[in-house]
Amino acid sequence: DAGVIQSPRHEVTEMGQEVTLRCKPISGHDYLFWYRQTMMRGLELLIYFNNNVPIDDSGMPEDRFSAKMPNASFSTLKIQPSEPRDSAVYFCASSLAGGAGQPQHFGDGTRLSIL
Amino acid sequence: GQQVMQIPQYQHVQEGEDFTTYCNSSTTLSNIQWYKQRPGGHPVFLIQLVKSGEVKKQKRLTFQFGEAKKNSSLHITATQTTDVGTYFCAIPRGGSNYKLTFGKGTLLTVNP
Repeated sequence: DAGVIQSPRHEVTEMGQEVTLRCKPISGHDYLFWYRQTMMRGLELLIYFNNNVPIDDSGMPEDRFSAKMPNASFSTLKIQPSEPRDSAVYFCASSLAGGAGQPQHFGDGTRLSIL
Repeated sequence: GQQVMQIPQYQHVQEGEDFTTYCNSSTTLSNIQWYKQRPGGHPVFLIQLVKSGEVKKQKRLTFQFGEAKKNSSLHITATQTTDVGTYFCAIPRGGSNYKLTFGKGTLLTVNP
């Protein structure tokens, strides 16, 4: 079975540009998560969706960040305008629903560099 | 917000030595998950612990959940070079089992 698919794998762009990261969750998974990983702050949850509906976006750092999930098989994380401090690895993950929590399956990530 | 302390931050061992990483929470947990991330890779789920005092084994890996459900440990017996990576614990927060806080991780390096 295909895992979580993210694109692009790498993105290098200049500050001020719009960046769009894409994610295809595992088919049948109810939850989708966006994380950011940096050396300084570790792995941080930005936002998560349940059945395409955003449940908690309290981790989104600023209004420059937005995320959408128009259908069960696709989600985007957009940064506009981008800044050098946004440089990080962005992971998308998905999971099934379950009472005590479920394993989260991560994609390979997008390594973002803002110059 | 709810936080989890993970120690040590780094651990370097000779191949064949044992390794342990610990996670400690200030509050009682409903469950705890463990993940492994290889260098340049993505986090991969290892296990979830739910019950007080629970001990689970996966080959050379032993996972424990404390009696008070405030701490957990991952122990690797006789490390191999394939064990290299960062080991994270993750705890639920905000009343949701899906909203996870990850520890800072323990980076394990193994000298062959």
